[in-house]
Amino acid sequence: GAVVSQHPSRVICKSGTSVKIECRSLDFQATTMFWYRQFPKQSLMLMATSNEGSKATYEQGVEKDKFLINHASLTLSTLTVTSAHPEDSSFYICSARDAGGLDSTPRFSSGANVLTFGAGSRLTVL
Amino acid sequence: GNSVTQMEGPVTLSEEAFLTINCTYTATGYPSLFWYVQYPGEGLQLLLKATKADDKGSNKGFEATYRKETTSFHLEKGSVQVSDSAVYFCALGQGNTPLVFGKGTRLSVIA
Repeated sequence: GAVVSQHPSRVICKSGTSVKIECRSLDFQATTMFWYRQFPKQSLMLMATSNEGSKATYEQGVEKDKFLINHASLTLSTLTVTSAHPEDSSFYICSARDAGGLDSTPRFSSGANVLTFGAGSRLTVL
Repeated sequence: GNSVTQMEGPVTLSEEAFLTINCTYTATGYPSLFWYVQYPGEGLQLLLKATKADDKGSNKGFEATYRKETTSFHLEKGSVQVSDSAVYFCALGQGNTPLVFGKGTRLSVIA
């Protein structure tokens, strides 16, 4: 089945530095990837929609200059947390939707394809 | 807009107990419905799905039926195990828009 790899799984950095998190679809092409942030009480917040070859679409309240998203190819999206601060410490999860290439992920009658999630990246900013 | 409401946890059950986690949704049209599971320290995994009314999704002993009349997609399992301890998310999807998630329900199963 579809696999999404996320790297690194854990990262600790000093305040003021930048951290890059990679999200790769390993066996399918993903024209769209989504970045979520999970807060301590479990809830998932959609941060942005990453579109291959174009600018990401950010949700309201998410600073695009702080959370830089680059979707340079059909299998890779990156999230860079710039000038990280302790309040940015969180669990970041990416997900990807099969664009209909080699993967056999079924498409549903409503057109809503299943999202495959990465294992997440835990960022701790000291 | 679309939204998902699921019961707040945490839910603590003894092994072999019956599990129900309620989920209701608000949406226009005919969304697809999903349950995702997150084991400790991991990302989300699709547990089961249903794409139209009266469909029943099932996997690993878990079941959920898409009820349009009550706009619900409750998750059930007849006999839980310690290994089922995780956070469960109900989600809704339409077209190519991002999934809308409920807030998650933490399940703890004790031996």
